[in-house]
Amino acid sequence: QVQLQQWGAGLLKPSETLSLTCAVYGGSFSPYYWTWLRQTPGKGLEWIGQIDHRGNTKYNPSLKSRVTISVDTSKNQLSLQLTSVTAADTAVYYCARDGDFDYWGQGTLVTVSS
Amino acid sequence: DIVMTQSPPSLPVTPGEPASISCRSSQSLLRDNGYIYLNWYLQKPGQSPQLLIHLGSHRASGVPDRFSASGSGTDFTLKISRVEAEDVGVFYCMQALQTPYTFGQGTKLEIK
Repeated sequence: QVQLQQWGAGLLKPSETLSLTCAVYGGSFSPYYWTWLRQTPGKGLEWIGQIDHRGNTKYNPSLKSRVTISVDTSKNQLSLQLTSVTAADTAVYYCARDGDFDYWGQGTLVTVSS
Repeated sequence: DIVMTQSPPSLPVTPGEPASISCRSSQSLLRDNGYIYLNWYLQKPGQSPQLLIHLGSHRASGVPDRFSASGSGTDFTLKISRVEAEDVGVFYCMQALQTPYTFGQGTKLEIK
């Protein structure tokens, strides 16, 4: 059974960098794509970007200038970095297995506040 | 970006009664291979979204057969034949045709 476990800092100040990691257990990391999404009350669910086991990435154009998704296949982990955060980046962030998003992490609430 | 529009935003249903949720996309989600790249998810209170339906009408593993979905091109429907208390939550449609993948705004199902 595939499980995704995610972690990272939950409280940031404006202009700081958001950093989250997601570990994949119980399944193969390749040949899948892996995704980061976020959810806010106002904008709903938003796809941030994806990465494959080779490190090939695609990002949402709305966030592309600030987002980096990376992968560590030796640990079956993917990471998200979002720079220069503002209050608008306050959200619950999820990792998920791409394709059908059939497996999700538990979600991490990230709050941006001065 | 492909815009996904769901209705209704809220859906009160009596247990045992059927329910139906609509989703419309701003462009066709039918690919040349004949598959429809439309998924449905249910987010139960306090949980991550869970996959119900993929490729337009295919139930995910473990999903009860009271859930069904249909549609073609740009108009899609999720049906629950008999609503149960455990179905409470927010239903989302999502287009998986092209990135950025986009979601509908959700339909909140509540029990009367």
